[in-house]
Parts: sequence; structure tokens; C-alpha cells
Amino acid sequence: GAGVSQSPSNKVTEKGKDVELRCDPISGHTALYWYRQSLGQGLEFLIYFQGNSAPDKSGLPSDRFSAERTGGSVSTLTIQRTQQEDSAVYLCASSQDRDSRQYFGPGTRLTVT
Amino acid sequence: AQKVTQAQTEISVVEKEDVTLDCVYETRDTTYYLFWYKQPPSGELVFLIRRNSFDEQNEISGRYSWNFQKSTSSFNFTITASQVVDSAVYFCALIPSNYQLIWGAGTKLIIKP
Repeated sequence: GAGVSQSPSNKVTEKGKDVELRCDPISGHTALYWYRQSLGQGLEFLIYFQGNSAPDKSGLPSDRFSAERTGGSVSTLTIQRTQQEDSAVYLCASSQDRDSRQYFGPGTRLTVT
Repeated sequence: AQKVTQAQTEISVVEKEDVTLDCVYETRDTTYYLFWYKQPPSGELVFLIRRNSFDEQNEISGRYSWNFQKSTSSFNFTITASQVVDSAVYFCALIPSNYQLIWGAGTKLIIKP
């Protein structure tokens, strides 16, 4: 079956604009994660969904970041008033349940100019 | 505190050498899960192994082997007879009882021909 998909694959935006990043998890996976990876760095946890609810939002770096998941499936990560430091690859992962292996999408490379 | 430490930032070896990547974790939980992921230059994260805290058996998969020792809170990864295609960043990760995935900073492995 299909893996985790993310769109767009690349996004260039001007500082101050809002962006939406989309993640389509593997069908039937209840857990969904968003991470951020800056160039040459490790993964920074942003938020975790179990079904449609987000029990852990502790990783969101500021109130400019928000995420939602609808129908236990697609998730959208929104960054408002983007800043240059938001430039990174945003990775989405899903897993069958909370302690299973995570399947990663290819990521969205965000560049804020 | 819950933490994963990969003390080796970068390792460089010549092809066919054996190499061990260290991972030390901290958690007070008795139930937890440990993972290794590989991130080749293409960028997509690849799952390698998942191990729960009650299973201390070492595992071998081809040229890869993992040594889990609860006494030292370590989950080390060895590649035998390394190959150039093994060049990647390798991440160790921990899922404790609160299900927030905790990632190590990664070890960049360079295999020279």
C-alpha cells in the first residue's frame, strides 16, 4: 500500500506569510507525528496526534505553529507569520499505535526568504 | 529526565571495517521501546529495529547487530564489514511510557572506499 505522503515537497515563502503543510498518513494508522529537521541537525519533535486529538503539543516552538488532524487521517501543520528560522525540513510520520515503528514521509522543505 | 545520548557526532572508517554506534538512554520507566533509524543522503528515514525493554536478547540481521544492555542503559549498533552504502546518519530513539518519542542527535557515519 501507499506510504506516508507529504505536500508540497518544497515550499518557498516570504517572511511574514502563512504556510500550510499537509501529511497523509498510512491508512489505519492511529498515531501521527510532526518533526522538524534543520540542516545537519537531528529531529525536533513538534506534535503528536492519537486519532484526532493531540495529547502532546509540547514541541511546538511558538504560538505561530498549530496543527490539526481530521477524520483520524490527514493532518495539516500551519505556520503563521513565517520567520527565517522556520526554514527546515518538516517531516511527518505515522504508526499503527503509539509504541510501534514510525513510517516517515519524504518531508516538506520549507525555505523562508 | 528522559534522554537519548549519541556521543559520537561523526565516525569515519574505511570500507570493510567493523563499526559500532553508541546509544545511551535515560528513563525511569520500566516499560519503554528503543529504535534505530537510518537517514541516508536522500533524506528519507528508514526504520532499522524496534526493541522493548523486556527483551534483552541481542539481534543480528545480516551485517547489522544490536546489543541491548539494561544494566548500562545502552543500545549499541554494530555494522560488520561496512560498505560505502552504509554511509548515513543513524538515529537512536526512545519511547517511554508517556509515548513522547525522544531522539538522539544522530551519528554521521562515513564509509570511505
